[in-house]
Amino acid sequence: AQSVTQLDSHVSVSEGTPVLLRCNYSSSYSPSLFWYVQHPNKGLQLLLKYTSAATLVKGINGFEAEFKKSETSFHLTKPSAHMSDAAEYFCVVSANFGNEKLTFGTGTRLTIIP
Amino acid sequence: DAGVIQSPRHEVTEMGQEVTLRCKPISGHNSLFWYRQTMMRGLELLIYFNNNVPIDDSGMPEDRFSAKMPNASFSTLKIQPSEPRDSAVYFCASTPGQGVGQPQHFGDGTRLSIL
Repeated sequence: AQSVTQLDSHVSVSEGTPVLLRCNYSSSYSPSLFWYVQHPNKGLQLLLKYTSAATLVKGINGFEAEFKKSETSFHLTKPSAHMSDAAEYFCVVSANFGNEKLTFGTGTRLTIIP
Repeated sequence: DAGVIQSPRHEVTEMGQEVTLRCKPISGHNSLFWYRQTMMRGLELLIYFNNNVPIDDSGMPEDRFSAKMPNASFSTLKIQPSEPRDSAVYFCASTPGQGVGQPQHFGDGTRLSIL
């Protein structure tokens, strides 16, 4: 079985400052991990994915995430927040075993302060 | 390239009416997923298909919900009869279906309101 915990339901940062969205996972098998972003009235868009290659993963729009097995974490970061980054972010895990179902975190709402 | 296409984008209807939501997956994708998103319950997987065959429908709430995939390029989710508690945003997603651990590609959803 797998699970994912997003440690913050809401994060607020000022424009131009760093973003950190925290995610911890649990998986019985070597996992694949994803971050998705959802803007208002839109579907979920893939930001980046980790699939057992490099532990530091670069995604779209300047986001990146680091897979840390010892800490079972997959935190999402961005050096400088932009107003357009305001959205809901979901950390997602797949067990890489069995079926294709994904397990979604409860989401972190990111607010950017002008 | 066209992404996952859902229709309608918005649906408002009265309780007791039949509702049909439609999804066209990305061409060449073999797995299709239906989700429901609400504030209270977040994102829930309802059912998923692989090569047009339902693989897991354990998330379908009750017999009022049914889903079909008659061919590789089309799927429907039907609610009959609809109830106010079915109000939610329904998403369709697809993957190439080439194994586990694949990211899913989402449509923009159908916002359903049952009065």
